[in-house]
Amino acid sequence: EAQVTQNPRYLITVTGKKLTVTCSQNMNHEYMSWYRQDPGLGLRQIYYSMNVEVTDKGDVPEGYKVSRKEKRNFPLILESPSPNQTSLYFCASSLQRQNYGYTFGSGTRLTVV
Amino acid sequence: RKEVEQDPGPFNVPEGATVAFNCTYSNSASQSFFWYRQDCRKEPKLLMSVYSSGNEDGRFTAQLNRASQYISLLIRDSKLSDSATYLCVVWSAGQKVTFGTGTKLQVIP
Repeated sequence: EAQVTQNPRYLITVTGKKLTVTCSQNMNHEYMSWYRQDPGLGLRQIYYSMNVEVTDKGDVPEGYKVSRKEKRNFPLILESPSPNQTSLYFCASSLQRQNYGYTFGSGTRLTVV
Repeated sequence: RKEVEQDPGPFNVPEGATVAFNCTYSNSASQSFFWYRQDCRKEPKLLMSVYSSGNEDGRFTAQLNRASQYISLLIRDSKLSDSATYLCVVWSAGQKVTFGTGTKLQVIP
């Protein structure tokens, strides 16, 4: 089944404790992206990657890192999480062609206390 | 002005009604347009692409008006299962993707 898989689905952590949210897609998509969704603010792009070893900042990159060593994986790293990073996170992938649209992962609900 | 704007709603409509949502965008160079559906606390799912010529998928019709910079979504014969938040998405040059904050639809029995 074609899908984007995110893990974990739920995570509660403490301020400053490094964490990684994994994202993997099995559709051979070139383009991958991370979003966070907050009430009233909608989906905001954190980072995106147009292909292996190519990553770029989105609208809200502060406090996050990403890597794209393989085409299928695009992990999101929070080196020192803070409470303002409490949010619902989605990974998404797409073929490079813009008309294709995104496939989203099921989301990761992160709480930083 | 926001890059992509939607009326947040909620739109409360009876079953069987026709309902329409609009979404305006500010970047005249925007290239691709989509409607997504998002159920509460779940991932957005692609509903349909939006073309200048308009496109229809069953009870759903999407239109693009480049001159006025808006896209629309029309839902005919609303079902209870159509209750969700509808997001418009605009892709611009350089792979910039902007989501609207969504319009909430509640279909009432």
